Amino acid sequence: DGGITQSPKYLFRKEGQNVTLSCEQNLNHDAMYWYRQDPGQGLRLIYYSQIVNDFQKGDIAEGYSVSREKKESFPLTVTSAQKNPTAFYLCASTARVFETNTGELFFGEGSRLTVL
Amino acid sequence: AQTVTQSQPEMSVQEAETVTLSCTYDTSESDYYLFWYKQPPSRQMILVIRQEAYKQQNATENRFSVNFQKAAKSFSLKISDSQLGDAAMYFCAYLVNAGGTSYGKLTFGQGTILTVHP
Repeated sequence: DGGITQSPKYLFRKEGQNVTLSCEQNLNHDAMYWYRQDPGQGLRLIYYSQIVNDFQKGDIAEGYSVSREKKESFPLTVTSAQKNPTAFYLCASTARVFETNTGELFFGEGSRLTVL
Repeated sequence: AQTVTQSQPEMSVQEAETVTLSCTYDTSESDYYLFWYKQPPSRQMILVIRQEAYKQQNATENRFSVNFQKAAKSFSLKISDSQLGDAAMYFCAYLVNAGGTSYGKLTFGQGTILTVHP
């Protein structure tokens, strides 16, 4: 079945440590995204990538880094510079709008990061 | 900047009855998409319904329909014959149609938690 796989589902980190969240998709989508979800704030865009080897900052990129070496993979690293990293992280992907004309995002099941 | 506002943090409905979730948005664009996404306790977001701004006809998907008022910048979701499985958090989202540079960069509202009572 096609979809987006995020791992791990739950992750605990000590302050000062970097952690990497994995996101893999087999939908053959060009674009991939990382959103952060906090209670009462909806989803906010961290980083996005519309093509391999290229990515752009979203609204809240500080303290995060990404790479896009393969079409299928878009890992997110939460660095020690992120002041408040405890949150739920959602990865998503979409086909190009001008091909599908839907704008629909497909989401993974999310990763919950807790800083101890 | 575009903003999306969901003024109802929580709503509840009896099973088999109808409930309406509100959403307003602010934009200066004329060509855009609006979405309602559902996030059940499993946390995976699922698209419920989608509306193109250029279409006057309100979108409908089975028991889900929208009331799209473009001039008022309002986009409410009506759930008819509510079922226990409808219990979830619902997010309204906006996407400007600016070609390849915009796709996927949705702006989300804060969410509304829907409880369905048996």
